[in-house]
Amino acid sequence: GENVEQHPSTLSVQEGDSAVIKCTYSDSASNYFPWYKQELGKGPQLIIDIRSNVGEKKDQRIAVTLNKTAKHFSLHITETQPEDSAVYFCAASYGNQFYFGTGTSLTVIP
Amino acid sequence: GAVVSQHPSRVICKSGTSVKIECRSLDFQATTMFWYRQFPKQSLMLMATSNEGSKATYEQGVEKDKFLINHASLTLSTLTVTSAHPEDSSFYICSVEGEGNTIYFGEGSWLTVV
Repeated sequence: GENVEQHPSTLSVQEGDSAVIKCTYSDSASNYFPWYKQELGKGPQLIIDIRSNVGEKKDQRIAVTLNKTAKHFSLHITETQPEDSAVYFCAASYGNQFYFGTGTSLTVIP
Repeated sequence: GAVVSQHPSRVICKSGTSVKIECRSLDFQATTMFWYRQFPKQSLMLMATSNEGSKATYEQGVEKDKFLINHASLTLSTLTVTSAHPEDSSFYICSVEGEGNTIYFGEGSWLTVV
């Protein structure tokens, strides 16, 4: 089955700096890669996603890149703000099979 | 995207009793819903896939008789934790498979068994 690895597990950045979270996957059949933000005590919220026919997608301060050959994808947050502090999960999917990464706890220091 | 509502958001029950958690898809007819369990500072653990009108598919190691799942309509799936014990205390989250296989999560339900 699919194996999704996520790094780093914790990340601290100064407000205004960029944050990058990376995930790798093992199954080349995976074709959908969402990213979720989970605030304390709440359910995960979809923030951006990318499909395997696209290499990069951007939404304001958030961008995701996908390298199908290397089987890795990354989340980029620019101009970080304190409200970006949360746990971020990546996932790799084929059909309705979803495999989540282990999460990255991001702290943005004011 | 789909709007997913869970109820209750928090519940405390006595050991040995059963508790039901509801997951509703408010604006999307969902033939497939998923139930997850999450321990503090850990990732999401898929418990079962709920299929409308048929039996749920449970992941290995999840007791189907303890975690009863019913998906009677396209907008509602329920998870019943039967004969709850303190070790069942956890954060339970449902999700809905929307268009394009996109997954949308509910707000989660905190279960505390005392």
